[in-house]
Amino acid sequence: DAKTTQPTSMDCAEGRAANLPCNHSTISGNEYVYWYRQIHSQGPQYIIHGLKNNETNEMASLIITEDRKSSTLILPHATLRDTAVYYCIVRVGIGTGNQFYFGTGTSLTVIP
Amino acid sequence: GAGVSQSPSNKVTEKGKDVELRCDPISGHTALYWYRQRLGQGLEFLIYFQGNSAPDKSGLPSDRFSAERTGESVSTLTIQRTQQEDSAVYLCASSLVLEQFFGPGTRLTVL
Repeated sequence: DAKTTQPTSMDCAEGRAANLPCNHSTISGNEYVYWYRQIHSQGPQYIIHGLKNNETNEMASLIITEDRKSSTLILPHATLRDTAVYYCIVRVGIGTGNQFYFGTGTSLTVIP
Repeated sequence: GAGVSQSPSNKVTEKGKDVELRCDPISGHTALYWYRQRLGQGLEFLIYFQGNSAPDKSGLPSDRFSAERTGESVSTLTIQRTQQEDSAVYLCASSLVLEQFFGPGTRLTVL
């Protein structure tokens, strides 16, 4: 599975959009981009995933560059409850070897 | 419905003792994963079960670590002769297709 690179930490003002970048320059054509977050003392929570196209759900939007070497997770209106560590992961979607390899993620702090 | 559950939630043990950690996945989920998370660090993959296939044990850090799963049900992660560096939160996740659902974890402290 491809490795990902994320900034160690970021701050965002409450109510503003939080844009979390991720580089995955060695991603393969059959690897998806996943985002999870982990609020302190809890297990990771799925946010969103995508392959090529931009995706949006009730939690966030995922913007994947055309060459798929990087992506951005967007929380459109950050709240204090969005303070968490955000993990960007790439992996093959279906089949054998479906492990997730989590890095250290980005620690997002939403500031009142 | 019920999510992934893990037990115990906390375990304190002495160095050299064996411990067993339990994971109850979401019913019907064919895939089950174990991860380790040391304090202040990201998740470290340990082992992956998919249906009746042979498990992927590539993440197990040493032969003191082993895991079993019977069919598509409960899994146990066993750590033999625990060491202080085994202290961590052990997370279990299950999935049906793509999305993984995580349990609350077991916090293991080895004194």
